[in-house]
Amino acid sequence: DTEVTQTPKHLVMGMTNKKSLKCEQHMGHRAMYWYKQKAKKPPELMFVYSYEKLSINESVPSRFSPECPNSSLLNLHLHALQPEDSALYLCASSQDELPGGNTIYFGEGSWLTVV
Amino acid sequence: EDQVTQSPEALRLQEGESSSLNCSYTVSGLRGLFWYRQDPGKGPEFLFTLYSAGEEKEKERLKATLTKKESFLHITAPKPEDSATYLCAVHRGNDYKLSFGAGTTVTVRA
Repeated sequence: DTEVTQTPKHLVMGMTNKKSLKCEQHMGHRAMYWYKQKAKKPPELMFVYSYEKLSINESVPSRFSPECPNSSLLNLHLHALQPEDSALYLCASSQDELPGGNTIYFGEGSWLTVV
Repeated sequence: EDQVTQSPEALRLQEGESSSLNCSYTVSGLRGLFWYRQDPGKGPEFLFTLYSAGEEKEKERLKATLTKKESFLHITAPKPEDSATYLCAVHRGNDYKLSFGAGTTVTVRA
């Protein structure tokens, strides 16, 4: 069973709506991630938080706004999305130890449909 | 640039018919190679992490091996519940980014 919990599992939103995706982990991991996955494609990295600070933004449009309130929680705020943003959004976490090679654990994902 | 190539794209097996999936990679400073299983509409489920050539790991009917250029995921006597997409990913240096292959979709018929 995954120990990364995402809510909601499904979300339908209009292009003018504001919504949020939420993620929680209790494994004591200090790195948390947002990935986007389109059908029949591998996951694509969007953001990385390390020790609650934004470490990586993979040139994601500003209509996606991440937030890390504490070491266990990660949010993705959504505003003015486009239909092409419809996808499975995956939260993930890992230990934050250098050098890399830390296993990344994924949540079940949130299915987003923009209408 | 890191490259991860998985083959075949799709694999159809009869129940009990063992087979192997391949993941070839070119990456400088490999820190870990990961195998995930993904069911339709769900997030990737972690299977194995391999760190160095010669390493092998097993879990039930699955066995993963690693060489300096590729990894294999062997499925022994598969069952229909092993049907899924299997993703390979590599992690290099101090980079947080995983480089994923395109995946192999395995279908096991009863």
